[in-house]
Amino acid sequence: DAGITQSPRHKVTETGTPVTLRCHQTENHRYMYWYRQDPGHGLRLIHYSYGVKDTDKGEVSDGYSVSRSKTEDFLLTLESATSSQTSVYFCAIRSSSNTEAFFGQGTRLTVV
Amino acid sequence: GQQLNQSPQSMFIQEGEDVSMNCTSSSIFNTWLWYKQEPGEGPVLLIALYKAGELTSNGRLTAQFGITRKDSFLNISASIPSDVGIYFCAGQPSLNNNDMRFGAGTRLTVKP
Repeated sequence: DAGITQSPRHKVTETGTPVTLRCHQTENHRYMYWYRQDPGHGLRLIHYSYGVKDTDKGEVSDGYSVSRSKTEDFLLTLESATSSQTSVYFCAIRSSSNTEAFFGQGTRLTVV
Repeated sequence: GQQLNQSPQSMFIQEGEDVSMNCTSSSIFNTWLWYKQEPGEGPVLLIALYKAGELTSNGRLTAQFGITRKDSFLNISASIPSDVGIYFCAGQPSLNNNDMRFGAGTRLTVKP
């Protein structure tokens, strides 16, 4: 298994509260991605990182921020969670020499 | 834009039948990838395609990178019950190699 760990695996939170999801890798890969998965939409890119402190927006970045202060960790923050952010969140990693992306197990987030 | 249109959305087939699914985009992609996701897991790479016209097989799976670089297909021959899952196409847009986008997925059900 690729060394990628997401935490927490499940979370229930209230509308308006801040939430941070963590993605941790032990592969020293350059690229890290956050996706959300919803029925009928597949995997939609939220934000990605191409190096420490280097991040860019994906197609559904509104309401989300990210930080990558070190190679191994990529944090996704919902500043003020809304019910529309209820979803399954996947982190993925990719090396700069390879196209293949490895995925974490996912985080199921419910905003009530 | 950089969206991937994947079809069909779902398929219900009999064991032993062949399956075909495809992905199209209005923009050019440098790489096409096909992933499979099983319940409760992250997607896992099946086949990667790197050149226009490339045809690659992985066991009973065959995928092709379209000549125009705007489409790809995946075929599964002689389906078996363990082929059940969601199949995603993915790709790196030519305008941004850091990015990685996914189609909405094809949900495959195989009846024994």
